[in-house]
Amino acid sequence: NAGVTQTPKFRVLKTGQSMTLLCAQDMNHEYMYWYRQDPGMGLRLIHYSVGEGTTAKGEVPDGYNVSRLKKQNFLLGLESAAPSQTSVYFCASRLGGAAYNEQFFGPGTRLTVL
Amino acid sequence: AQSVSQHNHHVILSEAASLELGCNYSYGGTVNLFWYVQYPGQHLQLLLKYFSGDPLVKGIKGFEAEFIKSKFSFNLRKPSVQWSDTAEYFCAVNGPNSGGSNYKLTFGKGTLLTVNP
Repeated sequence: NAGVTQTPKFRVLKTGQSMTLLCAQDMNHEYMYWYRQDPGMGLRLIHYSVGEGTTAKGEVPDGYNVSRLKKQNFLLGLESAAPSQTSVYFCASRLGGAAYNEQFFGPGTRLTVL
Repeated sequence: AQSVSQHNHHVILSEAASLELGCNYSYGGTVNLFWYVQYPGQHLQLLLKYFSGDPLVKGIKGFEAEFIKSKFSFNLRKPSVQWSDTAEYFCAVNGPNSGGSNYKLTFGKGTLLTVNP
Protein backbone atom coordinates (compact mmCIF):
# COMPACT_ATOMS: atom_id res chain seq x y z
CA ASN A 1 0.00 0.00 0.00
CA ALA A 2 1.27 3.45 -0.89
CA GLY A 3 -1.08 5.03 1.64
CA VAL A 4 -1.71 8.70 0.88
CA THR A 5 0.29 10.27 -1.92
CA GLN A 6 0.43 13.86 -3.10
CA THR A 7 1.65 15.42 -6.31
CA PRO A 8 3.55 17.58 -6.85
CA LYS A 9 5.97 17.73 -3.90
CA PHE A 10 7.13 21.26 -4.65
CA ARG A 11 5.78 24.08 -6.79
CA VAL A 12 6.53 27.72 -7.35
CA LEU A 13 3.79 29.91 -8.82
CA LYS A 14 3.52 33.54 -9.78
CA THR A 15 0.67 35.60 -8.40
CA GLY A 16 -2.47 34.99 -10.43
CA GLN A 17 -1.47 31.60 -11.80
CA SER A 18 -3.60 28.56 -11.21
CA MET A 19 -2.75 25.02 -10.25
CA THR A 20 -4.22 21.77 -8.99
CA LEU A 21 -2.83 19.60 -6.23
CA LEU A 22 -3.66 15.91 -6.43
CA CYS A 23 -4.17 13.62 -3.46
CA ALA A 24 -4.63 9.90 -3.91
CA GLN A 25 -5.24 7.15 -1.36
CA ASP A 26 -5.36 3.41 -1.83
CA MET A 27 -6.92 2.48 1.52
CA ASN A 28 -10.55 2.74 0.36
CA HIS A 29 -11.16 5.55 2.86
CA GLU A 30 -14.42 7.43 2.72
CA TYR A 31 -13.25 10.73 4.16
CA MET A 32 -10.55 12.96 2.72
CA TYR A 33 -9.18 16.32 3.84
CA TRP A 34 -6.98 19.18 2.71
CA TYR A 35 -5.02 21.16 5.28
CA ARG A 36 -2.52 23.94 5.13
CA GLN A 37 0.34 24.21 7.63
CA ASP A 38 1.91 27.54 8.44
CA PRO A 39 4.57 28.24 11.09
CA GLY A 40 3.02 28.73 14.51
CA MET A 41 -0.51 28.09 13.19
CA GLY A 42 -0.74 24.32 13.34
CA LEU A 43 -2.88 22.65 10.70
CA ARG A 44 -5.94 24.40 9.40
CA LEU A 45 -8.63 22.60 7.46
CA ILE A 46 -9.34 23.99 4.00
CA HIS A 47 -11.96 21.60 2.61
CA TYR A 48 -13.01 18.06 3.24
CA SER A 49 -15.08 15.30 1.68
CA VAL A 50 -17.12 12.57 3.31
CA GLY A 51 -17.68 10.63 0.12
CA GLU A 52 -17.37 10.56 -3.64
CA GLY A 53 -19.10 13.55 -5.17
CA THR A 54 -19.44 15.47 -1.90
CA THR A 55 -17.30 18.27 -0.50
CA ALA A 56 -17.59 20.78 2.33
CA LYS A 57 -15.82 23.88 3.55
CA GLY A 58 -13.40 23.81 6.40
CA GLU A 59 -11.89 26.58 8.46
CA VAL A 60 -10.03 28.48 5.68
CA PRO A 61 -11.74 27.72 2.33
CA ASP A 62 -11.41 31.10 0.60
CA GLY A 63 -9.34 31.03 -2.57
CA TYR A 64 -9.52 27.24 -2.92
CA ASN A 65 -11.82 24.80 -4.65
CA VAL A 66 -11.95 21.02 -4.43
CA SER A 67 -13.41 18.07 -6.26
CA ARG A 68 -13.90 14.41 -5.38
CA LEU A 69 -14.95 12.72 -8.59
CA LYS A 70 -13.44 9.39 -7.60
CA LYS A 71 -13.34 7.90 -4.13
CA GLN A 72 -9.57 7.56 -4.15
CA ASN A 73 -8.77 11.08 -5.35
CA PHE A 74 -9.25 14.52 -3.84
CA LEU A 75 -8.13 17.54 -5.85
CA LEU A 76 -7.36 20.98 -4.46
CA GLY A 77 -7.42 23.88 -6.89
CA LEU A 78 -6.09 27.39 -6.67
CA GLU A 79 -7.73 29.50 -9.38
CA SER A 80 -5.69 32.66 -8.88
CA ALA A 81 -2.77 32.14 -6.54
CA ALA A 82 -1.82 34.81 -4.00
CA PRO A 83 1.33 35.15 -1.86
CA SER A 84 -0.84 34.45 1.21
CA GLN A 85 -1.31 30.93 -0.13
CA THR A 86 2.38 30.17 0.26
CA SER A 87 2.26 27.19 2.61
CA VAL A 88 2.73 23.47 3.00
CA TYR A 89 -0.39 21.56 2.00
CA PHE A 90 -1.23 18.19 3.49
CA CYS A 91 -3.86 15.77 2.38
CA ALA A 92 -5.31 13.20 4.76
CA SER A 93 -7.82 10.39 4.65
CA ARG A 94 -9.65 8.18 7.12
CA LEU A 95 -12.21 5.46 7.29
CA GLY A 96 -15.77 6.51 7.77
CA GLY A 97 -17.85 5.37 10.68
CA ALA A 98 -16.39 5.72 14.16
CA ALA A 99 -15.14 9.16 15.03
CA TYR A 100 -12.02 7.71 16.63
CA ASN A 101 -10.67 6.42 13.33
CA GLU A 102 -7.47 8.34 12.83
CA GLN A 103 -6.49 10.36 9.81
CA PHE A 104 -3.57 9.26 7.67
CA PHE A 105 -1.49 12.00 6.13
CA GLY A 106 0.34 12.41 2.86
CA PRO A 107 3.90 13.73 2.54
CA GLY A 108 2.87 17.29 1.76
CA THR A 109 3.23 19.79 -1.07
CA ARG A 110 5.36 22.87 -0.51
CA LEU A 111 3.90 25.75 -2.50
CA THR A 112 5.52 29.14 -2.93
CA VAL A 113 3.61 31.98 -4.56
CA LEU A 114 5.77 34.89 -5.69
CA ALA B 1 -16.46 25.83 18.06
CA GLN B 2 -13.89 23.46 19.43
CA SER B 3 -10.46 24.86 20.28
CA VAL B 4 -7.23 23.16 21.32
CA SER B 5 -4.45 24.81 23.30
CA GLN B 6 -0.89 23.58 23.50
CA HIS B 7 0.86 25.53 26.19
CA ASN B 8 4.44 25.25 25.07
CA HIS B 9 5.59 26.51 21.71
CA HIS B 10 9.15 25.18 22.01
CA VAL B 11 10.57 22.75 24.56
CA ILE B 12 14.29 22.02 24.80
CA LEU B 13 15.48 18.99 26.73
CA SER B 14 18.58 16.92 27.15
CA GLU B 15 18.56 13.22 26.38
CA ALA B 16 17.14 11.07 29.20
CA ALA B 17 15.07 13.95 30.58
CA SER B 18 11.37 13.38 31.16
CA LEU B 19 8.82 15.02 28.91
CA GLU B 20 5.34 16.35 29.45
CA LEU B 21 3.54 18.37 26.79
CA GLY B 22 0.29 20.02 27.70
CA CYS B 23 -2.91 19.95 25.71
CA ASN B 24 -6.29 21.41 26.70
CA TYR B 25 -9.48 21.45 24.68
CA SER B 26 -12.61 23.49 25.05
CA TYR B 27 -15.55 21.11 24.58
CA GLY B 28 -16.94 19.24 27.56
CA GLY B 29 -18.90 16.51 25.83
CA THR B 30 -17.77 13.26 24.26
CA VAL B 31 -14.51 13.73 22.42
CA ASN B 32 -11.83 11.66 20.76
CA LEU B 33 -8.28 12.81 21.38
CA PHE B 34 -5.14 12.32 19.34
CA TRP B 35 -1.46 13.12 19.46
CA TYR B 36 0.40 13.30 16.17
CA VAL B 37 4.13 13.71 15.60
CA GLN B 38 5.86 15.36 12.67
CA TYR B 39 9.56 14.58 12.29
CA PRO B 40 11.63 17.14 10.37
CA GLY B 41 10.62 17.20 6.73
CA GLN B 42 8.05 14.45 7.12
CA HIS B 43 4.30 14.11 7.30
CA LEU B 44 2.21 13.71 10.44
CA GLN B 45 2.05 10.30 12.04
CA LEU B 46 -0.24 9.10 14.80
CA LEU B 47 1.43 8.62 18.19
CA LEU B 48 -1.63 7.59 20.16
CA LYS B 49 -5.34 8.21 20.60
CA TYR B 50 -8.04 8.07 23.23
CA PHE B 51 -11.71 7.34 22.62
CA SER B 52 -12.98 5.44 25.66
CA GLY B 53 -11.97 3.26 28.58
CA ASP B 54 -8.67 3.56 30.44
CA PRO B 55 -7.77 7.27 30.48
CA LEU B 56 -4.07 6.39 30.34
CA VAL B 57 -3.24 5.41 26.81
CA LYS B 58 0.03 4.10 25.50
CA GLY B 59 1.35 4.81 22.06
CA ILE B 60 4.34 4.09 19.92
CA LYS B 61 7.97 4.78 20.85
CA GLY B 62 7.30 4.83 24.60
CA PHE B 63 4.87 7.74 24.60
CA GLU B 64 1.75 7.82 26.74
CA ALA B 65 -1.00 10.33 27.42
CA GLU B 66 -3.53 10.80 30.17
CA PHE B 67 -7.06 11.99 29.57
CA ILE B 68 -8.38 14.01 32.53
CA LYS B 69 -11.97 14.88 31.75
CA SER B 70 -12.41 17.28 34.66
CA LYS B 71 -9.47 19.34 33.42
CA PHE B 72 -10.26 19.04 29.71
CA SER B 73 -6.68 17.88 29.29
CA PHE B 74 -4.79 15.23 27.34
CA ASN B 75 -1.13 15.65 28.21
CA LEU B 76 1.60 13.70 26.44
CA ARG B 77 4.41 12.14 28.45
CA LYS B 78 7.58 10.17 27.98
CA PRO B 79 9.82 9.20 30.88
CA SER B 80 13.12 9.46 29.02
CA VAL B 81 13.49 11.28 25.70
CA GLN B 82 16.00 10.51 22.98
CA TRP B 83 17.61 12.70 20.37
CA SER B 84 15.42 10.96 17.77
CA ASP B 85 12.31 12.38 19.49
CA THR B 86 13.16 15.81 18.12
CA ALA B 87 10.01 16.71 16.23
CA GLU B 88 6.87 18.81 16.33
CA TYR B 89 3.96 17.39 18.32
CA PHE B 90 0.33 18.17 17.65
CA CYS B 91 -2.65 17.53 19.83
CA ALA B 92 -5.98 17.12 18.02
CA VAL B 93 -9.57 16.71 19.06
CA ASN B 94 -12.52 15.23 17.21
CA GLY B 95 -15.87 16.32 18.54
CA PRO B 96 -18.54 17.07 19.42
CA ASN B 97 -19.91 14.04 17.64
CA SER B 98 -22.92 15.66 16.10
CA GLY B 99 -23.89 17.82 13.19
CA GLY B 100 -21.06 16.53 11.05
CA SER B 101 -18.40 17.77 13.43
CA ASN B 102 -17.19 14.25 14.08
CA TYR B 103 -15.70 14.23 10.61
CA LYS B 104 -13.18 16.86 11.48
CA LEU B 105 -10.13 17.25 13.68
CA THR B 106 -9.23 20.49 15.40
CA PHE B 107 -5.48 20.79 15.85
CA GLY B 108 -3.46 22.70 18.38
CA LYS B 109 -0.71 24.97 17.09
CA GLY B 110 1.96 22.40 17.89
CA THR B 111 4.92 22.10 20.25
CA LEU B 112 8.41 21.88 18.84
CA LEU B 113 10.56 19.52 20.89
CA THR B 114 14.32 19.75 20.59
CA VAL B 115 16.33 17.05 22.32
CA ASN B 116 20.01 17.77 22.72
CA PRO B 117 22.39 14.79 22.79
